[in-house]
Amino acid sequence: AQSVTQPDIHITVSEGASLELRCNYSYGATPYLFWYVQSPGQGLQLLLKYFSGDTLVQGIKGFEAEFKRSQSSFNLRKPSVHWSDAAEYFCAPMIYNQGGKLIFGQGTELSVKP
Amino acid sequence: DTEVTQTPKHLVMGMTNKKSLKCEQHMGHRAMYWYKQKAKKPPELMFVYSYEKLSINESVPSRFSPECPNSSLLNLHLHALQPEDSALYLCASRSLASATDTQYFGPGTRLTVL
Repeated sequence: AQSVTQPDIHITVSEGASLELRCNYSYGATPYLFWYVQSPGQGLQLLLKYFSGDTLVQGIKGFEAEFKRSQSSFNLRKPSVHWSDAAEYFCAPMIYNQGGKLIFGQGTELSVKP
Repeated sequence: DTEVTQTPKHLVMGMTNKKSLKCEQHMGHRAMYWYKQKAKKPPELMFVYSYEKLSINESVPSRFSPECPNSSLLNLHLHALQPEDSALYLCASRSLASATDTQYFGPGTRLTVL
């Protein structure tokens, strides 16, 4: 069965520090992979996506993610976190032959210390 | 422009009421989705419409009735809901073009059932 794991439920980093949010998926083939961010009570905003090709993808707000096939991982990184990055982050593979269904991880809540 | 709009932003209804949620996109996308999100949980897929036809129903109770009147509009009709149906309801649309095969989300409707 397809699944995705975000092992860190809550992470706190200091403003200006680097960030890495982990995501591992279980799927028969390489799915399309997405990271979304959600501020409290808001919808989901697309940060970045991986379809194929270059395994390091750049997104909005200075985020990047690296796809590692051997580890079935798609970790999200940012070199210097800003207070406005505090939010919930979701990793989501897309299951193409099931109507493009997104399989969401449990999410990682990011808090930023001043 | 990747905007998906949802109305209303907030809705309070009694268990005997009938109400509708509306979702609209003008990006020419041919797939539209309804998700339900409870507090501190990831979104859960409810329905998928592809080319205005219902393609996936994730075993959602019949008190939720989706409708896709045209390629730009998606409705969710609500009747005889239960308090446990209180949640954030998210709409998303997807282009179905392989180069941009991405779901874009609206801001959501916060539903409270009394």
